[in-house]
Amino acid sequence: DSGVTQTPKHLITATGQRVTLRCSPRSGDLSVYWYQQSLDQGLQFLIQYYNGEERAKGNILERFSAQQFPDLHSELNLSSLELGDSALYFCASSFRTGGYEQYFGPGTRLTVT
Amino acid sequence: AQSVTQPDIHITVSEGASLELRCNYSYGATPYLFWYVQSPGQGLQLLLKYFSGDTLVQGIKGFEAEFKRSQSSFNLRKPSVHWSDAAEYFCAVAAEAAGNKLTFGGGTRVLVKP
Repeated sequence: DSGVTQTPKHLITATGQRVTLRCSPRSGDLSVYWYQQSLDQGLQFLIQYYNGEERAKGNILERFSAQQFPDLHSELNLSSLELGDSALYFCASSFRTGGYEQYFGPGTRLTVT
Repeated sequence: AQSVTQPDIHITVSEGASLELRCNYSYGATPYLFWYVQSPGQGLQLLLKYFSGDTLVQGIKGFEAEFKRSQSSFNLRKPSVHWSDAAEYFCAVAAEAAGNKLTFGGGTRVLVKP
């Protein structure tokens, strides 16, 4: 158990819908990262927050957004869902940014039908 | 931009035999290097990391990795594999200049024969 929690574990929804994925980092960690794992793209970095502020952006679609709240949990919002958004979404946390390892949550499997 | 290559998509090894997984990275300076393992239906577990110092690093579950700057490599090894080592292994690189995001290789799936 990494100490990073993600809910829900599974999510099935229809195209065009909007979903919210939730992540709670390890106790004491200030930085949260979101990654997407799909068969065709592999593991890709989406976005990073540090102590409530966006720190870095990767290949995140405009339909996707995220935020980190004062209690340091984070939410990833996916809207206007398409079939191709079906993937495993991982959250990871680290104490700070540089020079610290990231610990991953168990992931949320999103299926868009 | 940083990148990671894992040349072997699949590796089959007999239980008790040694295992080596290859990883090559591309980055201008010395990066932070990691190996993660993912069992079926599970998340990613950190096996080991290299930030600086001794180029041979020890990790959990009996794994070790060696950083070779001249070859831009960070290969993972285990002297004797167990059936429970069957999983997918990912090499990753991070750079502080890039916000410490992880860039992953494509992964190597390890099958263990009895």
